[in-house]
Amino acid sequence: DAKTTQPPSMDCAEGRAANLPCNHSTISGNEYVYWYRQIHSQGPQYIIHGLKNNETNEMASLIITEDRKSSTLILPHATLRDTAVYYCIVKGWTPLVFGKGTRLSVIA
Amino acid sequence: GAVVSQHPSRVICKSGTSVKIECRSLDFQATTMFWYRQFPKQSLMLMATSNEGSKATYEQGVEKDKFLINHASLTLSTLTVTSAHPEDSSFYICSANPSGDQETQYFGPGTRLLVL
Repeated sequence: DAKTTQPPSMDCAEGRAANLPCNHSTISGNEYVYWYRQIHSQGPQYIIHGLKNNETNEMASLIITEDRKSSTLILPHATLRDTAVYYCIVKGWTPLVFGKGTRLSVIA
Repeated sequence: GAVVSQHPSRVICKSGTSVKIECRSLDFQATTMFWYRQFPKQSLMLMATSNEGSKATYEQGVEKDKFLINHASLTLSTLTVTSAHPEDSSFYICSANPSGDQETQYFGPGTRLLVL
């Protein structure tokens, strides 16, 4: 599986949009981009995934660049409950392999 | 969304005893389940892939005789930590793919094991 690079930590003001970047320059054509998050002492929660088109659901939006070498997860209106570690994972037909993720702190 | 449960949520045991952790898919069938381990302030590490009706596939460095995995039905996988020692204390998390959907893994809430 391709590796990903994420900033170790980010802060975001409550109510503002949180934009979490991810680089995956070695992604293969059949690999998807997945985003999960883990709130302290809980199991990871699925957020969204995509192949090449931008995706949106009730939790977030995923913007994938045209060359697929990077992506951005957008939480449109961050709340304190969105404080968590966010994992960007590139995956084909194999289990999820977690990197270190980005620790997002939403500040009141 | 698909729901995965784990039991127990936390367990404390004495060194040398065995501990069984259950992982259940509540509203879907799962041909494949996965077991992860997470130490404090670290990321999740894949331990093994559990396939219904066949032997589990273990990641490099994971002792299959110490971490016994059984996936006897399409909704239940169990992880038994045999002869547990304090270094086995960790957060154990399972996940599952709904049968026919290889795209998305859904995770359980995790089991915190403390070996004294």
